[in-house]
Formats: sequence, structure tokens, C-alpha cells
Amino acid sequence: AQSVTQLDSQVPVFEEAPVELRCNYSSSVSVYLFWYVQYPNQGLQLLLKYLSGSTLVKGINGFEAEFNKSQTSFHLRKPSVHISDTAEYFCAVTLYSGGGADGLTFGKGTHLIIQP
Amino acid sequence: EAGVTQFPSHSVIEKGQTVTLRCDPISGHDNLYWYRRVMGKEIKFLLHFVKESKQDESGMPNNRFLAERTGGTYSTLKVQPAELEDSGVYFCASSPRVGPRETQYFGPGTRLLVL
Repeated sequence: AQSVTQLDSQVPVFEEAPVELRCNYSSSVSVYLFWYVQYPNQGLQLLLKYLSGSTLVKGINGFEAEFNKSQTSFHLRKPSVHISDTAEYFCAVTLYSGGGADGLTFGKGTHLIIQP
Repeated sequence: EAGVTQFPSHSVIEKGQTVTLRCDPISGHDNLYWYRRVMGKEIKFLLHFVKESKQDESGMPNNRFLAERTGGTYSTLKVQPAELEDSGVYFCASSPRVGPRETQYFGPGTRLLVL
């Protein structure tokens, strides 16, 4: 079975500083990778996803992530954060083969806390 | 275009009672998913509908949970009888096409507290 690990439950960062949120996955088969964000009192919103091709994926709000197959990682980065980036971020995978099992497997989430 | 909506936003019930959660997917989305997040844990998949059929219900925790999607539009998730460990946030998501590559669009969730 696949699993997703987000080692950092909270990441405090000063405004305008860079940030990296870490995500590692484990799976015996190939996976598709997703980052979702949840702003307070809202549903989860897709930031970006990796399906194939270039390992560097650009998403909304200036975020990007890099797929590293050898390290089984998909870390999320932003070069300069804003107070509005305060939210909880979730890394998730689905199985490449699908086989009818399209449900997302999530990590525990990382709270990004932006300090002025 | 309206997003995924869920009702109620919050529910507080006593152990042994019944609760029914409702999800209205984005119009035209045949795929509907239910997830649950217990406090302190990760969001976990419960089940997946394609139109009115259950495609995958491997995540349903036990037979106290019943999901339906009559007519292939909105879905309900009933918990009967509710137990303390059922407390958490229940999310619904929808997507227009089937497949693991597709983006799932999430609702704001229903916060369930069982006392």
C-alpha cells in the first residue's frame, strides 16, 4: 500500500522569506503526485500536480514542486511567501495504474505560518 | 460555477444517534468521493461513486456507514449509530472524469462531533 509522509507539522516563516514544505512517498508502483492547500474555513484547493514529463511543476500562487523519483520526494517551494499563504498544505498521491482505485492518499498536512 | 457544497457545516450529536451528511457535487461531475479527517490524523479516503454506482468503497470503516447517490447527483453519508471515534471532518470531492490523474474539487467539509 502507498503512504505519504509530511515530516513537518508546522513551518513558521517570515514574510518574504523562501519556504520549502517536504513530502516523501512510499509505493510499490508509480504514482501521480498532488499538493493541495486548505485556507481557513475553506475546502481543499489544488495547488499543482505531477503527472509526467518535466520534474519541475509550477502551480498557482507562485508555488512550484520538484519530483525526485530516486528520493521518492515531491517537495513544495515558494521563493517569497506572503501573509496570505498562511494555510495548511497537503501532499497526496494516487496510483498510476488506478484500476478503479482513484482515491487520494494524503499526508498529515503541514501548517505554514507566516510571521510579519 | 458553483463549487462542491456540503451540509451541514457542523453537527453535534450524542453517541448512538444517527447523522446524515449531504454533498452536492459540481454540476456535471459524475465522480464523487467521500473522505474523513479524524483529529490529528491524515485525510482518509472512504469511497468513490461514478454516477450512482459505488466504484470503490474500500475505505469505509464499518457497516455503520452507509453512502448513497440516488440518481447520480447529490450524495448522502449516514452514520448509524454514531460512535465517539466517528468525530472528525468529512470532506466530499467531485471530478468530471474518472481516473487517477484527474483533479478532485473539494467541498468545505462537515465537522462532526459525537459526544
